[in-house]
Amino acid sequence: KQEVTQIPAALSVPEGENLVLNCSFTDSAIYNLQWFRQDPGKGLTSLLLIQSSQREQTSGRLNASLDKSSGRSTLYIAASQPGDSATYLCAVRGTNAGKSTFGDGTTLTVKP
Amino acid sequence: DTEVTQTPKHLVMGMTNKKSLKCEQHMGHRAMYWYKQKAKKPPELMFVYSYEKLSINESVPSRFSPECPNSSLLNLHLHALQPEDSALYLCASSQEGYYQETQYFGPGTRLLVL
Repeated sequence: KQEVTQIPAALSVPEGENLVLNCSFTDSAIYNLQWFRQDPGKGLTSLLLIQSSQREQTSGRLNASLDKSSGRSTLYIAASQPGDSATYLCAVRGTNAGKSTFGDGTTLTVKP
Repeated sequence: DTEVTQTPKHLVMGMTNKKSLKCEQHMGHRAMYWYKQKAKKPPELMFVYSYEKLSINESVPSRFSPECPNSSLLNLHLHALQPEDSALYLCASSQEGYYQETQYFGPGTRLLVL
């Protein structure tokens, strides 16, 4: 059974700082890994999708990497802003019927 | 347009009520999903429809009954729910249901069962 862990559970940083969020998974047989953002009480917004054959994806100030063999992904956020404050979730899509397994998320607070 | 809409936004119901949650997308996606999310927990997959047919049922209690009337609509019929069913119910869609695709999520329906 796939298990997805996100560390840290919560992170508070001053505005402008670069930061890294971590996601690890136990079963490397995956199709892809997707990073989402969730604001309180809201739905999920897709940030980046990395296919199993890819090493990284970039969108604006965000960069996500994937090391499938070690079961790890990182989300790098450059020059953080207060508007980046949210919970960040990673979801691993496995080869077992393509089900997505989510981590518990990292709650990020960026202080002005 | 990458929007998935869900109605209602909020729902309060008693344990004897029957209600329905609705989800709609106009992106031409052929796969649609229902997730349940409890407070401070990640979403948990409930059902997957691919080409209007139920392809995954995560052993969800029968008091939850999904329906896919057409490729743009997905309903979740609720009957005789329990207070522990109170949660945020999220709908998502993806293009063809292939596993390489991005899932797009709606804003969710917050359900309270009294």
